[in-house]
Amino acid sequence: AQSVAQPEDQVNVAEGNPLTVKCTYSVSGNPYLFWYVQYPNRGLQFLLKYITGDNLVKGSYGFEAEFNKSQTSFHLKKPSALVSDSALYFCAVRDSNDYKLSFGAGTTVTVRA
Amino acid sequence: ETGVTQSPTHLIKTRGQQVTLRCSSQSGHNTVSWYQQALGQGPQFIFQYYREEENGRGNFPPRFSGLQFPNYSSELNVNALELDDSALYLCASSQMGLGEYIQYFGAGTRLSVL
Repeated sequence: AQSVAQPEDQVNVAEGNPLTVKCTYSVSGNPYLFWYVQYPNRGLQFLLKYITGDNLVKGSYGFEAEFNKSQTSFHLKKPSALVSDSALYFCAVRDSNDYKLSFGAGTTVTVRA
Repeated sequence: ETGVTQSPTHLIKTRGQQVTLRCSSQSGHNTVSWYQQALGQGPQFIFQYYREEENGRGNFPPRFSGLQFPNYSSELNVNALELDDSALYLCASSQMGLGEYIQYFGAGTRLSVL
């Protein structure tokens, strides 16, 4: 079985401050990890992925994430948040031996001007 | 934009009715996955189609069924609709094999069951 936990329902930051959205996962095999963002009345947009290699991955719109195998975490980060980053963020995991994505419940990010 | 299109955008049905949702995958993609996203929750995997065959299924009853066509587009059919089926239904396309892992999502179909 595979699962994802996003421990924070909401994250609030001021524009220009660092943004972190937390994610932990559980899989039986090797994890393939993803972050998606969802704007109101829109589908999910892919931000970045970790499959193998360097633990720090860089993605779209200045976002990055760090894979930590010992802590089974894949936290999303952005050094300087923008008001336009306000959205719903989902972490997802796929076992390397499986085909389906399992999503967390999502974290709503609000960046205030 | 991902190139994955879903229709219709919104749909209202009554309990007991049947519904068909449609998805056109991104050009070059051979795999379609369907997800149900209830209000305030993350998407839940329904099933995946590859080469016109169901390739895997989540914890959904048989009244949720699907098809994939030779052009890789797909349909999700739900029979005997229940109130709890009200949700955003998301289609995602991907290219199985060739080391491609990303699923690209459409904007979804919002289904309301009254």
